[in-house]
Amino acid sequence: KNQVEQSPQSLIILEGKNCTLQCNYTVSPFSNLRWYKQDTGRGPVSLTIMTFSENTKSNGRYTATLDADTKQSSLHITASQLSDSASYICVVRGLTGGGNKLTFGTGTQLKVEL
Amino acid sequence: GAGVSQSPRYKVTKRGQDVALRCDPISGHVSLYWYRQALGQGPEFLTYFNYEAQQDKSGLPNDRFSAERPEGSISTLTIQRTEQRDSAMYRCASSLGSMGVGTDTQYFGPGTRLTVL
Repeated sequence: KNQVEQSPQSLIILEGKNCTLQCNYTVSPFSNLRWYKQDTGRGPVSLTIMTFSENTKSNGRYTATLDADTKQSSLHITASQLSDSASYICVVRGLTGGGNKLTFGTGTQLKVEL
Repeated sequence: GAGVSQSPRYKVTKRGQDVALRCDPISGHVSLYWYRQALGQGPEFLTYFNYEAQQDKSGLPNDRFSAERPEGSISTLTIQRTEQRDSAMYRCASSLGSMGVGTDTQYFGPGTRLTVL
């Protein structure tokens, strides 16, 4: 069982609308959680990173939240644009494996349409 | 640009052959990571290096997979006796910091698409 679960698996929204992507994890002990955006055929690009002491982090129209108690994170995208169409991947860094073992979620495929 | 580069970009091989995938990290980056990504899935951690030392290889699926980074820069991921299930995108990433720098950003390369016939 994957230790990082994301939902929904895919999502289609109209341009200009907001959306929220969810990430639940069981990785423990936990170091930090990062959201990546991966365009088709490209490598993942980091959007936000949060340690367990941080509750929210923004990067432009992207806002990530973290509840370390319930082991849940969300990524909120405001006023979506066509260029937001991509896969959004939640990645959790654990404290085992020398502190550098990352567990990736399977991602949410977002499509923004006119 | 001075990003992470990988070669070859595409590799088609016959089952049973050995393949070597190369990763050239960003100059000066201490840590180097290998991931495997199946179509429609998130990356799966394989192994990582701190300088030339392989710190964690727990993600390597079996002993046909090995990696090295002999001079602490370029790394090679080798798959021996390839099988069809090895077909995937193999991505490399590098980060500036060393082990323990938990918030260090990883920069990904374009990947090598491996197809085993």
